[in-house]
Amino acid sequence: DSGVTQTPKHLITATGQRVTLRCSPRSGDLSVYWYQQSLDQGLQFLIQYYNGEERAKGNILERFSAQQFPDLHSELNLSSLELGDSALYFCASSVDQGLPPSEQYFGPGTRLTVT
Amino acid sequence: AQSVTQLDSQVPVFEEAPVELRCNYSSSVSVYLFWYVQYPNQGLQLLLKYLSGSTLVKGINGFEAEFNKSQTSFHLRKPSVHISDTAEYFCAVTDGYTGGSYIPTFGRGTSLIVHP
Repeated sequence: DSGVTQTPKHLITATGQRVTLRCSPRSGDLSVYWYQQSLDQGLQFLIQYYNGEERAKGNILERFSAQQFPDLHSELNLSSLELGDSALYFCASSVDQGLPPSEQYFGPGTRLTVT
Repeated sequence: AQSVTQLDSQVPVFEEAPVELRCNYSSSVSVYLFWYVQYPNQGLQLLLKYLSGSTLVKGINGFEAEFNKSQTSFHLRKPSVHISDTAEYFCAVTDGYTGGSYIPTFGRGTSLIVHP
C-alpha cells in the first residue's frame, strides 16, 4: 500500500460527458502528479501540483483540468470525453523538496472507459 | 530533451533463470534514473534508483541495475527470478528541472513473464 488513494476505481461513461477523478496523496507529500496510461501512448505525464499551485504541465489536453485543494487532495476533471480518453489514470505523490529528485508513490489508478 | 527506450516489450524466462531488462536513455545533461514495477491491477512501485555515487544500484526483491554513462544505459538484472516477478517493468529518466520539479519520462515498459 503506497498510501496514495484514488477514487473511483472504475468509471464507465459515454462520449461527450464529464468526469472527475480524485486523489489523496500520502501524508506529508506536497506534490501530486497525474499520469495517463494507455496501450498506444504508454505512461504520459499530464500535470503536477505542488502545495496547491500548478508547477509543471505535460501532455494534457485543453479538455482536461486539475486542481489541488488546501487539504492537498487533487481532482482531475475530464470533459467532452472521447473514445480515445479511455485509459488508466494514475495519481502519484512525492515530498518534492528539490535535489535529489524524490521518489513518486503511485496510487492504484482509476480505469476510465468511454463508450 | 530526455527520452527512454526499453528495447524489449516482452521478456519470457523460466523460473530460477537470470534475467536482464534493457533500458537506454537520451539526455544531454546529468540524469537521475529509476526502475518501477507494476503488478497486475496495481499502481507503479519503485524498485531502485540511481541519483549519484556507485554505478551499481541494489533495489528491492533482489533486483539491481548498473548505470553506464558511456553507453547511456541502465539495465535491470536479477540472478534468479520467481513466478511472483511476473509484472510490467518501467525505466524512467529525469534530468531537467521543470518549474521547480523533476518530471520523469517513462519508457514503454517491458513485460516480464516468468514460466514455471
